[in-house]
Amino acid sequence: EAGVVQSPRYKIIEKKQPVAFWCNPISGHNTLYWYLQNLGQGPELLIRYENEEAVDDSQLPKDRFSAERLKGVDSTLKIQPAELGDSAVYLCASSRVQFSTQYFGPGTRLTVL
Amino acid sequence: SQELEQSPQSLIVQEGKNLTINCTSSKTLYGLYWYKQKYGEGLIFLMMLQKGGEEKSHEKITAKLDEKKQQSSLHITASQPSHAGIYLCGADIIGGGSQGNLIFGKGTKLSVKP
Repeated sequence: EAGVVQSPRYKIIEKKQPVAFWCNPISGHNTLYWYLQNLGQGPELLIRYENEEAVDDSQLPKDRFSAERLKGVDSTLKIQPAELGDSAVYLCASSRVQFSTQYFGPGTRLTVL
Repeated sequence: SQELEQSPQSLIVQEGKNLTINCTSSKTLYGLYWYKQKYGEGLIFLMMLQKGGEEKSHEKITAKLDEKKQQSSLHITASQPSHAGIYLCGADIIGGGSQGNLIFGKGTKLSVKP
């Protein structure tokens, strides 16, 4: 069974530029999560989807971050414009349903110069 | 304040030695997950504990959840270089945030000297 796929793996951009991350969850997993992980910290939830509905986006900085999960499968997380403090690893995870085990992708390491 | 505290923050052990990592919460845990992360990679699921007093093992790794469901330990027997990495506990804390969302500790960095 294929795991969670994320791309790109690495991204370097200059501040004020836009950036987008893509995630393909495990087949059949209805719940999808985006996490932010800073160096030396555990992941912090940005947004959770149940199918195509964003059911918890309370931690998503909506002034510059946006996300979508069209058709309830793939998801895209966008930052516009990026700031220096956005440099981090962005992790995508999926689970079969809410409360079941979350499986993580390899992450996208973003560096903002 | 950090809702999940992990200790120690880092650990260096000689190959073959046993070690224990702890994860403590001030609130009751609905479910406790252990993950392993290597630098530059995602989290790999190890084990999930839900019942008070529960214990699970996989190869040389054993995880326990105490009766009060507020502390978990991860024990590695006869450590090997392949065990090196960052161990993270994640939990769904009853009464803390939206249920179904995991809160993570800061992780324990394990190094194993050959």
